[in-house]
Amino acid sequence: DGGITQSPKYLFRKEGQNVTLSCEQNLNHDAMYWYRQDPGQGLRLIYYSQIVNDFQKGDIAEGYSVSREKKESFPLTVTSAQKNPTAFYLCASSITAHYGYTFGSGTRLTVV
Amino acid sequence: AQSVTQLGSHVSVSEGALVLLRCNYSSSVPPYLFWYVQYPNQGLQLLLKYTSAATLVKGINGFEAEFKKSETSFHLTKPSAHMSDAAEYFCAVTFSGGYNKLIFGAGTRLAVHP
Repeated sequence: DGGITQSPKYLFRKEGQNVTLSCEQNLNHDAMYWYRQDPGQGLRLIYYSQIVNDFQKGDIAEGYSVSREKKESFPLTVTSAQKNPTAFYLCASSITAHYGYTFGSGTRLTVV
Repeated sequence: AQSVTQLGSHVSVSEGALVLLRCNYSSSVPPYLFWYVQYPNQGLQLLLKYTSAATLVKGINGFEAEFKKSETSFHLTKPSAHMSDAAEYFCAVTFSGGYNKLIFGAGTRLAVHP
């Protein structure tokens, strides 16, 4: 079955560490997106990519980085520059946004 | 500027009662509208979408929504709430003309009590 897979489901980061969240899809979707979700704040766009080797900053890109070397993969790195990284991170993909997104099941990142 | 507003961050209904979750959008071009549901610690699941065909859209789990251009609204309804409907619901909008992102509302948490 086609879908979008995020791993790991739970991730713990020490202060000053970089961590990478994985997002893989086998839906043959061109566009992929990363969102951050905090309680009571809805979804905020971090980065998005419409084609391989191209990506754009979203509303809260500071302290994050991405790559899009393959159509299927869009990993997100949370760098030590992100001062408050504890959140639920959601990855999504789409043919185009007019068709809606397919979401992964999320990664919960906690700073310890 | 294009935007989407969900009225009411929390809605509480009795089991068997009507569910009404409100969504209004702002746009100068024809919109594409969506409702998503999110259960705790899970991703978002598409409930239904409006893409300029019928104005009354039926979705999964007995939900439906009506696109009203004059009111710039896309409210979500279900005639009879079930306990399993307790979740967070997000309205989202996008537009034609090369805009390839969804704009999400802040979400409405639905509680269903016996």
